[in-house]
Amino acid sequence: QQPVQSPQAVILREGEDAVINCSSSKALYSVHWYRQKHGEAPVFLMILLKGGEQKGHDKISASFNEKKQQSSLYLTASQLSYSGTYFCGTSYSGTYKYIFGTGTRLKVLA
Amino acid sequence: NAGVTQTPKFRVLKTGQSMTLLCAQDMNHEYMYWYRQDPGMGLRLIHYSVGEGTTAKGEVPDGYNVSRLKKQNFLLGLESAAPSQTSVYFCASTWDAKTYEQYFGPGTRLTVT
Repeated sequence: QQPVQSPQAVILREGEDAVINCSSSKALYSVHWYRQKHGEAPVFLMILLKGGEQKGHDKISASFNEKKQQSSLYLTASQLSYSGTYFCGTSYSGTYKYIFGTGTRLKVLA
Repeated sequence: NAGVTQTPKFRVLKTGQSMTLLCAQDMNHEYMYWYRQDPGMGLRLIHYSVGEGTTAKGEVPDGYNVSRLKKQNFLLGLESAAPSQTSVYFCASTWDAKTYEQYFGPGTRLTVT
C-alpha cells in the first residue's frame, strides 16, 4: 500500500524542469511532499488537503488529483539546491499510520 | 524551542545487545512516529503513537518495542539487536497526521555488528 513514485531517478541541468508523480492504490485524504538531502532528515515542502488543490511557493508547486489517487510535484527552472530525494507521504482514511512513497532521486547539474 | 531531538546520535551495538532510543519534542504534539531508513532506501514506519499512553504497530514492527509514558517522549527499544537492524532511525511528531506537516529529529545512526 506504499505510494509509488515515478520516475525513480532524474538528472537535470540547471534551469530545466521536472515532474515527480506519486500514485496510490488507495484513496488519499491528503498528500504531503518532503525533500531529503544526503545525511539529513526530510524537510517539509507542502501539503495538499483537497482534491484538485494546487499549491506552490517559489518555483516548486504541486497538484492533487483525488479521483486518480495521485499527486504531482513540479519543479521549474531547477537550481543546484533542488538536488535530493523527494518523498510523497500520506495517512490513509481510517488510520493514523503515516506512509511515505518510494522516493525519487533528483540531481541537478551545473 | 528545540523542536524534535533524538538521543543518541550514533551507536554501535553487538548482535544480541539491547538499547533504547529516545525521541523528545517540545511542541505539545499528539502524534509521534518512528521510522527506519536503510542506505539508499525510503522511510519505513516502525511504530507510532496518537497520544500519551498509546502505541500502535507500523509497517515493520518486528524486533522493536515502543513506549509513550509522557506526551513529549517516545522511546524505541531493541531487545536483541540484529545486523538487519543497522539503519538510520528518524523520529517525527505532528499535531495531526493528515493535515499538518511532520517535524523530524536529526536521526540516530545505528550499526549492529
